[in-house]
Amino acid sequence: KNQVEQSPQSLIILEGKNCTLQCNYTVSPFSNLRWYKQDTGRGPVSLTIMTFSENTKSNGRYTATLDADTKQSSLHITASQLSDSASYICVVGHDKLIFGTGTRLQVFP
Amino acid sequence: NAGVTQTPKFQVLKTGQSMTLQCAQDMNHEYMSWYRQDPGMGLRLIHYSVGAGITDQGEVPNGYNVSRSTTEDFPLRLLSAAPSQTSVYFCASSYSLQDTQYFGPGTRLTVL
Repeated sequence: KNQVEQSPQSLIILEGKNCTLQCNYTVSPFSNLRWYKQDTGRGPVSLTIMTFSENTKSNGRYTATLDADTKQSSLHITASQLSDSASYICVVGHDKLIFGTGTRLQVFP
Repeated sequence: NAGVTQTPKFQVLKTGQSMTLQCAQDMNHEYMSWYRQDPGMGLRLIHYSVGAGITDQGEVPNGYNVSRSTTEDFPLRLLSAAPSQTSVYFCASSYSLQDTQYFGPGTRLTVL
């Protein structure tokens, strides 16, 4: 069964700290992997999109990594800010998009 | 560019009523889709369209209809609302399924 699992479900960190969110998938075949940020009450916004040949991709303080052999991806957030408080959704694409349930990140001052 | 717009932002319906959720995009995207988002679940695909005049069912199509008469517009119709359709609905568009999707702000629907 095609699945995308994210961990942790929720995370609390202090402003300025780094954090890493995990995504494991069993989707096959695989075309690409995306990370989205979803602020409360808003639609998801794309952070990165990687094909199977890419190991890492950055977007400002956000860096996504992909290991297609182990079917794992991570999203690393550097020097967190209060505005990083949101849900982060991992999405794996092949002939359709499979969405994870997200990690809810809260950044406190 | 306005991007992807959705109306209304909020809606309350009674069981059995019908309504249409509007979605429009001004990016000339061919691929458009409708999702619903429920607590504790990932976004689930309701219907999608790969271009004007072409629509297809997604993962959870029952109780919903769509049409795509123009590239810009992709309305979602609830035929006879049920409490199980209480959810947040998102419209998204992209050049193709493999490209970055742009989501609208969502419509929060409550069915009593």
